[in-house]
Amino acid sequence: QKEVEQDPGPLSVPEGAIVSLNCTYSNSAFQYFMWYRQYSRKGPELLMYTYSSGNKEDGRFTAQVDKSSKYISLFIRDSQPSDSATYLCAMSRKAAGNKLTFGGGTRVLVKP
Amino acid sequence: ETGVTQTPRHLVMGMTNKKSLKCEQHLGHNAMYWYKQSAKKPLELMFVYSLEERVENNSVPSRFSPECPNSSHLFLHLHTLQPEDSALYLCASSKTGGPSYGYTFGSGTRLTVV
Repeated sequence: QKEVEQDPGPLSVPEGAIVSLNCTYSNSAFQYFMWYRQYSRKGPELLMYTYSSGNKEDGRFTAQVDKSSKYISLFIRDSQPSDSATYLCAMSRKAAGNKLTFGGGTRVLVKP
Repeated sequence: ETGVTQTPRHLVMGMTNKKSLKCEQHLGHNAMYWYKQSAKKPLELMFVYSLEERVENNSVPSRFSPECPNSSHLFLHLHTLQPEDSALYLCASSKTGGPSYGYTFGSGTRLTVV
């Protein structure tokens, strides 16, 4: 079993729709949760960062963490064609310093 | 530019060649990483350097040899690679010594081994 599971997609939505992404994980020691966005031919860039459980909102993006279910989500409201990218979740343990464990990424396509 | 610069962007090499990938950051970070990204697979951590010392080597074949001469520069030396080594090689940097705030990635080197 992989430590972090993420549906590879592709996830295709019409412009303006809500994009819903999620990851499940098996290691209950993970405390730091991140979402990265990766455009084609680019490296991943950090979108959202959360610590422990709860919600965090930044503009059109909302990240949710449910540690009891070992489940994290990213919602993108009012999606735009420019949101078309691969979204990777990542997480780490406090004791692991800066070592991140990544999901495989979900490819998202927002159609005009 | 993301703050982490990787060169070259693309590299095609034969199995008997020797080449090097270069990574440079001026973000004041003191940890640097090499990742391999293959199609439909999660990012694979290859090497970690913290304060210029290698702190992790994830069972990477010896045909990959990292070098970190200072906290701003990281190299990946390649020698007698195999076609299955073709992938996107990503460099990243971060701060150390506290909670994880995530990495800053470069744009990667797209490596093709022929």
